Amino acid sequence: EAGVTQFPSHSVIEKGQTVTLRCDPISGHDNLYWYRRVMGKEIKFLLHFVKESKQDESGMPNNRFLAERTGGTYSTLKVQPAELEDSGVYFCASSAGTRSGNTIYFGEGSWLTVV
Amino acid sequence: GDSVTQMEGPVTLSEEAFLTINCTYTATGYPSLFWYVQYPGEGLQLLLKATKADDKGSNKGFEATYRKETTSFHLEKGSVQVSDSAVYFCALLNSGGYQKVTFGTGTKLQVIP
Repeated sequence: EAGVTQFPSHSVIEKGQTVTLRCDPISGHDNLYWYRRVMGKEIKFLLHFVKESKQDESGMPNNRFLAERTGGTYSTLKVQPAELEDSGVYFCASSAGTRSGNTIYFGEGSWLTVV
Repeated sequence: GDSVTQMEGPVTLSEEAFLTINCTYTATGYPSLFWYVQYPGEGLQLLLKATKADDKGSNKGFEATYRKETTSFHLEKGSVQVSDSAVYFCALLNSGGYQKVTFGTGTKLQVIP
């Protein structure tokens, strides 16, 4: 069974440009999450989808970030325009349900560098 | 709100040394606790987990016991290897409300031959 897959794995863009990150969750997982780790800091929650609905987007840093999950399958996270402080690793994760015993599975991350 | 505190790194050990990485948490209800590991250049991998008090999670020689009385989930390994060099994250998933994993800041471990 395929795990959580993310694309691109690495991206280098200039300040002011746009980048779109994609996440394909594990098939059948209704819950999809985006997290971010900037250099040397903790991994911070960005937002949580349940199917196609945004359940919690309290961690989104500002309106330059837009996440979508049309049809409740894959998700995209767009950063427009990118700033230097957006550099970091963006992790996507998915889980099957909301009970405490469910495990959240993470992808390998999309490493973003803004120069 | 929920929070996780783990010991600051980096931690440098010689091969075959004993490892302890401390982790304590603050949460309402009865969270599940996890250790994730990120090897250089790779993504986050689940190392082990425990879902209730006194549970012991174990994997690849690593162990951690869910201690509700001390709100701790310390990671231990009896004999580390160079290949264990990575960043280790303690995390919790609260049982109440909607699922959202809260992470600690991560502890970088370097094992030298």
